[in-house]
Amino acid sequence: DTGVSQNPRHKITKRGQNVTFRCDPISEHNRLYWYRQTLGQGPEFLTYFQNEAQLEKSRLLSDRFSAERPKGSFSTLEIQRTEQGDSAMYLCASSIWDRREQFFGPGTRLTVL
Amino acid sequence: EDKVVQSPLSLVVHEGDTVTLNCSYEVTNFRSLLWYKQEKKAPTFLFMLTSSGIEKKSGRLSSILDKKELFSILNITATQTGDSAVYLCAFGGGADGLTFGKGTHLIIQP
Repeated sequence: DTGVSQNPRHKITKRGQNVTFRCDPISEHNRLYWYRQTLGQGPEFLTYFQNEAQLEKSRLLSDRFSAERPKGSFSTLEIQRTEQGDSAMYLCASSIWDRREQFFGPGTRLTVL
Repeated sequence: EDKVVQSPLSLVVHEGDTVTLNCSYEVTNFRSLLWYKQEKKAPTFLFMLTSSGIEKKSGRLSSILDKKELFSILNITATQTGDSAVYLCAFGGGADGLTFGKGTHLIIQP
């Protein structure tokens, strides 16, 4: 399968714990995006990378959120001190730098108890 | 603030009907408009539109953009139960993250 992959697919955690998600983009795509989606809403942009550089962050990305893409391939999204309001589907997408179509992974569903 | 508004928010039709989904936008720096289909998983890409008046077509689905009136429509003809999904419209602007609408939840009844 050469699509975008994300792990884990589901994560249940207790409030206050830290969680980390991983995204592996389509291999030739040098742009990687993170979005958050809650029930009944469209995805909301969080941040994106071009290769290893983080080029844009949404104001939705609070200080408790950090994303990395150390070698310009896979990316991780960490949420520290999780809150119940962080419960959502976290989607990763990738694209080729000069094309605007973004291709999404299956998402990681986070539930914070 | 950039905004994408989709209508209707939900729609129930019978198999074989034709549906038209609407997307209007208010954005400061338009570059592209994209349509995605989302079943119980990740959004899958349907169309990207950048120029007014040019219809994009894929099988029973088609879409067109009106940059003067700031809207796009997605048409689905001869609907099938497999077309049941949430259809998302997204705007791509000066920044590279997409701004999505809330989606239209389409249900096709047999």
